[in-house]
Amino acid sequence: GDSVTQMEGPVTLSEEAFLTINCTYTATGYPSLFWYVQYPGEGLQLLLKATKADDKGSNKGFEATYRKETTSFHLEKGSVQVSDSAVYFCALSRRRANSKLTFGKGITLSVRP
Amino acid sequence: AAGVIQSPRHLIKEKRETATLKCYPIPRHDTVYWYQQGPGQDPQFLISFYEKMQSDKGSIPDRFSAQQFSDYHSELNMSSLELGDSALYFCASSLPSGGASDTQYFGPGTRLTVL
Repeated sequence: GDSVTQMEGPVTLSEEAFLTINCTYTATGYPSLFWYVQYPGEGLQLLLKATKADDKGSNKGFEATYRKETTSFHLEKGSVQVSDSAVYFCALSRRRANSKLTFGKGITLSVRP
Repeated sequence: AAGVIQSPRHLIKEKRETATLKCYPIPRHDTVYWYQQGPGQDPQFLISFYEKMQSDKGSIPDRFSAQQFSDYHSELNMSSLELGDSALYFCASSLPSGGASDTQYFGPGTRLTVL
């Protein structure tokens, strides 16, 4: 079945540090890929998405590129801020009608001032 | 912009009681999904509805049932509650299928505590 694997956490960085969160997937065909963010006590917010190979999703300084050859969708940000502290989930959905999301385990990011 | 609305936001129940969670999708969204997120866990898909019909089913216990109504809102009914049902329950909605419209937008969740 479909699965998403994220790097182990938690991750603690200093403000303005470079961030990479690894995500790889296993799925039949070519799924759509997503990063969702969950701030403390809140729901899931879509951060960015990519729907086909070599697509780059970007939002709020975060980027991720859909790599079919490595089945990866790593999240990067050049300079993190304290406000980026949250839990980040990588997810996929099949490219068919009303497909469910399959999430990775999530990783907690803490950014120190 | 309008978002997904869930009610109640918090719910405390005793074991063996019944709970009903409600979800109001974003206007014009006709597909609703339910997810369960245990403490420190990733969200797990429970069930989805498209145009008031069940679309897909995941790891939803037989004690749970759900439906989507004519106004597209959905309700998740949970009976014979167990301690292990304590979790955050998310509802998400999406536009009709295809291309960029497969994005799911999540509500703030209902935190269910079973004592």
